[in-house]
Amino acid sequence: DIQMTQSPSSLSTSVGDRVTITCRASESIRNYLNWYQQRPGKAPNLLIYAASSLQSGVPSRFSGSGSGTDFTLTISSLQPEDFATYYCHQSYRTPNTFGQGTRLE
Amino acid sequence: QVHLVQSGTEVKKPGASVKVSCKASGYSFTNFYIHWLRQAPGQGLEWMGIVNPSGGSTKYAQRLQGRVTMTRDTSTNTVSVELRSLRSEDMAMYYCVRDIGYGYGAFDYWGQGTLVIVSS
Repeated sequence: DIQMTQSPSSLSTSVGDRVTITCRASESIRNYLNWYQQRPGKAPNLLIYAASSLQSGVPSRFSGSGSGTDFTLTISSLQPEDFATYYCHQSYRTPNTFGQGTRLE
Repeated sequence: QVHLVQSGTEVKKPGASVKVSCKASGYSFTNFYIHWLRQAPGQGLEWMGIVNPSGGSTKYAQRLQGRVTMTRDTSTNTVSVELRSLRSEDMAMYYCVRDIGYGYGAFDYWGQGTLVIVSS
């Protein structure tokens, strides 16, 4: 299985901060990398697909980059509603696998 | 408007079986794959498998092989997952999710989740 490693696992941040979360795959997954946001008690929500494509309806402060094994999710200016947990997800091969999550506090 | 509406909370004893359903609406049911994921309390996301609503073909996570079955009913636009021989570690929130298509494999719509409690 492809292992996905996210860092950091948690991050203490403030409104207005620029936030960067990284995700590393154990082998090349080309650009088959997706990012989700999960608020407490809710289902995850797709933010970015194919490494850098912004999902419809997602604010433009979210962006993604990377290819191969190293990927980044950036939030340009953190808003109060962005305090949540973020997951990366590889859809290159089954079984699909996820990072362990990054919690913004 | 796309909706995936899942069945309600289940409470099961170890060794029992559970079946969770997911009714799709707002789009052409047979044009998008459906995946099942689960999330144990306080934990991350685990992929369980995928079902093609068009032909009914499936692929499962190897660790669940032999205990899981995913089906679809095109007359009701419903997909279901059955998990047998439940263990305490199967206690989780179960989600059906729609594959965005175009080969990207991202999950663009999610069901609200079904909590499966396994307790003696």
